[in-house]
Amino acid sequence: AQSVTQLGSHVSVSEGALVLLRCNYSSSVPPYLFWYVQYPNQGLQLLLKYTSAATLVKGINGFEAEFKKSETSFHLTKPSAHMSDAAEYFCAVTSNFGNEKLTFGTGTRLTIIP
Amino acid sequence: GAVVSQHPSRVICKSGTSVKIECRSLDFQATTMFWYRQFPKQSLMLMATSNEGSKATYEQGVEKDKFLINHASLTLSTLTVTSAHPEDSSFYICSASLDGYTFGSGTRLTVV
Repeated sequence: AQSVTQLGSHVSVSEGALVLLRCNYSSSVPPYLFWYVQYPNQGLQLLLKYTSAATLVKGINGFEAEFKKSETSFHLTKPSAHMSDAAEYFCAVTSNFGNEKLTFGTGTRLTIIP
Repeated sequence: GAVVSQHPSRVICKSGTSVKIECRSLDFQATTMFWYRQFPKQSLMLMATSNEGSKATYEQGVEKDKFLINHASLTLSTLTVTSAHPEDSSFYICSASLDGYTFGSGTRLTVV
């Protein structure tokens, strides 16, 4: 069984400050990991994914995440927060890319302080 | 890139009626699609995995007779909420996979 834990249901950062959203996973097999963003009343948009290639993954909108096997983590970062980054962020894991369901974390609501 | 279209985006129906939600992969063929339900301010819960040409696989606790899923072609899966009741009001999202999991824009169902 796989699971994802997102530490911090709410995170607030000032505009221009570093964004750090935490995700830890549990998996008995090599995982595939994803970060998605959701704006109110919308579907999920893929920010980035880890598929066992490079451990540092760059995504859209300036986001990146680093896969750390020793820490079972896949934290999402962005050097400088923008007001448009305010949204809900979900980390997800699967063991079989494309054919198996995604298991989601509980989500982190990011608020940007002007 | 891969696009998944979900329709309708919002629907209000009377209690006891049925509602159909469509999920289409516009520029790729999806042998597997996933249906999720999301309660306010909560994460996504997988309801079922839809496989083209075969019966859907439902998650534990999901009523298969209430949430009918049909995956008749490689580009279309439908979710029908039968005899809807107010407790079925929720946000429903479909997903299909090509190079990563692409999500539809969701359907807000309100049962009155």
